[in-house]
Amino acid sequence: GAGVSQSPSNKVTEKGKDVELRCDPISGHTALYWYRQSLGQGLEFLIYFQGNSAPDKSGLPSDRFSAERTGGSVSTLTIQRTQQEDSAVYLCASSYTVSYTGELFFGEGSRLTVL
Amino acid sequence: TQLLEQSPQFLSIQEGENLTVYCNSSSVFSSLQWYRQEPGEGPVLLVTVVTGGEVKKLKRLTFQFGDARKDSSLHITAAQPGDTGLYLCAGAADSNYQLIWGAGTKLIIKP
Repeated sequence: GAGVSQSPSNKVTEKGKDVELRCDPISGHTALYWYRQSLGQGLEFLIYFQGNSAPDKSGLPSDRFSAERTGGSVSTLTIQRTQQEDSAVYLCASSYTVSYTGELFFGEGSRLTVL
Repeated sequence: TQLLEQSPQFLSIQEGENLTVYCNSSSVFSSLQWYRQEPGEGPVLLVTVVTGGEVKKLKRLTFQFGDARKDSSLHITAAQPGDTGLYLCAGAADSNYQLIWGAGTKLIIKP
């Protein structure tokens, strides 16, 4: 597709269940970011992938959160044993270049609700 | 730790009025970006400013980067209901890929 694709768009789960969120970046984009956004607030950085380099996981809030990127393309964010405070919109973004002027292209997000 | 403070957090005005949103920091940034986000969608880039004192115009939107590259403003002239959304500023430090994000300004333009 032409843009960043995320799935599912909405996910409702029960506390304690595991969830997987998927991101398909724009073809050719080497940089991929995951962010978390709570109810119309700013963006909280979670994790960053760049090519074959080791990912920057410094933003992951706990060891219940993990992410991988296979073949330098599709990425999956996994949240284990979900808690109510994990409820938020999870945004994925990709960028063609790692530069301080580089534009981030965002998906529409995955809205997670933990009951 | 680099921080970006946006103000106001929320603004609701009538169509046709002017407004300014501010993004301030005590840190120097190599560049600053402004994004707009509509409900149910991801943020979309409006502009990138890189030079101290730079002014960029996008139709009725005017963006300015402070001389010291520590602050930026977004001015909207004759606001329209289509300008409604969450405006986010994001600063980058040198070659660091990490963007520092402001908390956002929620703007509502009433017809």
